[in-house]
Amino acid sequence: AQSVAQPEDQVNVAEGNPLTVKCTYSVSGNPYLFWYVQYPNRGLQFLLKYITGDNLVKGSYGFEAEFNKSQTSFHLKKPSALVSDSALYFCAVRDGSGGYQKVTFGTGTKLQVIP
Amino acid sequence: DTEVTQTPKHLVMGMTNKKSLKCEQHMGHRAMYWYKQKAKKPPELMFVYSYEKLSINESVPSRFSPECPNSSLLNLHLHALQPEDSALYLCASSQPYGGGETQYFGPGTRLLVL
Repeated sequence: AQSVAQPEDQVNVAEGNPLTVKCTYSVSGNPYLFWYVQYPNRGLQFLLKYITGDNLVKGSYGFEAEFNKSQTSFHLKKPSALVSDSALYFCAVRDGSGGYQKVTFGTGTKLQVIP
Repeated sequence: DTEVTQTPKHLVMGMTNKKSLKCEQHMGHRAMYWYKQKAKKPPELMFVYSYEKLSINESVPSRFSPECPNSSLLNLHLHALQPEDSALYLCASSQPYGGGETQYFGPGTRLLVL
């Protein structure tokens, strides 16, 4: 079984400050990890993913995420938050142990960037 | 081009109506998905088509009927829906290998069942 947890329903950060949105996962095989962002009344937009290789993954709009196998975490980060980053962020995982596995989404974290 | 399009953007229907949602992609993806999303909740997988064949049905009620006429199109036929079916319906596509392939989502159809 696979699961993903986003422990914070909401994260507030001042504009210009660094931001972190937390994600932890559980899979039996190798994890494929994804971050998506959703603006109000819109679909999900892909930000970045970890498949293998470098633990630091860089994505769209200046976001990056660090894969930490020992802590089973994949936290999303950005050095300097913008008001336009305010949105709902979903972490997702797929178990890479073989065969088709559906993507499991976390419950989402609302990011509020305060001007 | 990483665009998935969905029509209509909004749909209001009565419980006795029949309507269809449409999804289209031209990225050459051979897997297409329907998700249902309630407000402030994660998307819930409904159906997966792989190479135009239904490969996953997540125990969705028969009032939802998917159809994949070709590799670029995905439809969701709706009949006799209930008010609790009101939600954002998202279509997504990816390559069908079941690994680290990214799913690309459309903007969704906002459905209201009266």
